[in-house]
Amino acid sequence: NAGVTQTPKFQVLKTGQSMTLQCAQDMNHEYMSWYRQDPGMGLRLIHYSVGAGITDQGEVPNGYNVSRSTTEDFPLRLLSAAPSQTSVYFCASSFGLMGSDYGYTFGSGTRLTVV
Amino acid sequence: SQKIEQNSEALNIQEGKTATLTCNYTNYSPAYLQWYRQDPGRGPVFLLLIRENEKEKRKERLKVTFDTTLKQSLFHITASQPADSATYLCAFHSYSGAGSYQLTFGKGTKLSVIP
Repeated sequence: NAGVTQTPKFQVLKTGQSMTLQCAQDMNHEYMSWYRQDPGMGLRLIHYSVGAGITDQGEVPNGYNVSRSTTEDFPLRLLSAAPSQTSVYFCASSFGLMGSDYGYTFGSGTRLTVV
Repeated sequence: SQKIEQNSEALNIQEGKTATLTCNYTNYSPAYLQWYRQDPGRGPVFLLLIRENEKEKRKERLKVTFDTTLKQSLFHITASQPADSATYLCAFHSYSGAGSYQLTFGKGTKLSVIP
């Protein structure tokens, strides 16, 4: 089925470890983004990309890196995990920055716990 | 800074009634406003997008209005059903500088439809 696929669904990390959250879409969307969702804070933008080779920072980029080598994939790297990065992470994609009449398509999320 | 607020964290409504959710924004004039539905443990799902020159938009039992004078969007679910119980998020594209835009979300309103 077409959509946004995130892996893994759950992850526990120790403080200081690094890891990559994977995101892939098969809808040929130009725009992809990563959000984190915390209780009482809502969804906050971490990084986004408007096309292969182009990335930019969102509201809360510190501690995260991204790259976009293909249209389909947009991995999120945690460089040195901290307990403050415990959250649910969502990847989203759309045809364009403004979303069009189809809005953004979100993945099912990765629930990350840093101990 | 741009701000988006959903005035109720939770709303309980009797089955069959019309649910009305409110989204207010400040310090910005978005050209588009979007509404999403989020179920527990899942990613947001796009429902409707309304443009600043559209006063109202409908999709089945859903209706969205956009009042640029009041800086407010209303989201209505008519003939509500228990299956409509979920958290509803509004979002708009805000300018983040240097030609970049980001989709900013409200914290959501949790709707419970009581049989």
